[in-house]
Amino acid sequence: KAGVTQTPRYLIKTRGQQVTLSCSPISGHRSVSWYQQTPGQGLQFLFEYFSETQRNKGNFPGRFSGRQFSNSRSEMNVSTLELGDSALYLCASSLTRGRPLTDTQYFGPGTRLTVL
Amino acid sequence: GENVEQHPSTLSVQEGDSAVIKCTYSDSASNYFPWYKQELGKGPQLIIDIRSNVGEKKDQRIAVTLNKTAKHFSLHITETQPEDSAVYFCAAFTGNQFYFGTGTSLTVIP
Repeated sequence: KAGVTQTPRYLIKTRGQQVTLSCSPISGHRSVSWYQQTPGQGLQFLFEYFSETQRNKGNFPGRFSGRQFSNSRSEMNVSTLELGDSALYLCASSLTRGRPLTDTQYFGPGTRLTVL
Repeated sequence: GENVEQHPSTLSVQEGDSAVIKCTYSDSASNYFPWYKQELGKGPQLIIDIRSNVGEKKDQRIAVTLNKTAKHFSLHITETQPEDSAVYFCAAFTGNQFYFGTGTSLTVIP
């Protein structure tokens, strides 16, 4: 079974630009969560999508947004990039949400975003 | 919200020795506690997990213990090998969201 895939793996952007990252969950998984990982802040939760609906949101500004498609693939978008947005963006998928034994999260390799 | 604290932040052990990483959590509603291993340039990989109705779980050289009363859980790695060198993260799941510890960088010295 293929794991979680994320594209692209690396991105270099300049301040003020916008970026879209893509995540394909494990086949059959319907929940997709996004995290930002930085050396100083660790893993911080961005948002979670389940059945094309945002179910939960972390404490990030509105410049960070996402969506999920009917095939469970998800995208996240960051507009008006700032230097501090440089990070590893991780996507994790799980079979369902909030139900024991099916909520285990599996991570993708991440997209390394560098903002210059 | 939930607060997960993880110690130590760095850990060096000799090959063959044991390594222990500890985490505490604050929300008694947390009911699922996974551990992830992250190697350089890769995403976190689930290595073991434990649910709140279990006190201990073991998988070969890796074990996790959970003390619900004290709200802490620990990762134990025995007979460490150089390939165990990585960053390890603990997490707590409240039923709504995962909260992660800040990570432990483990170095196994050959």
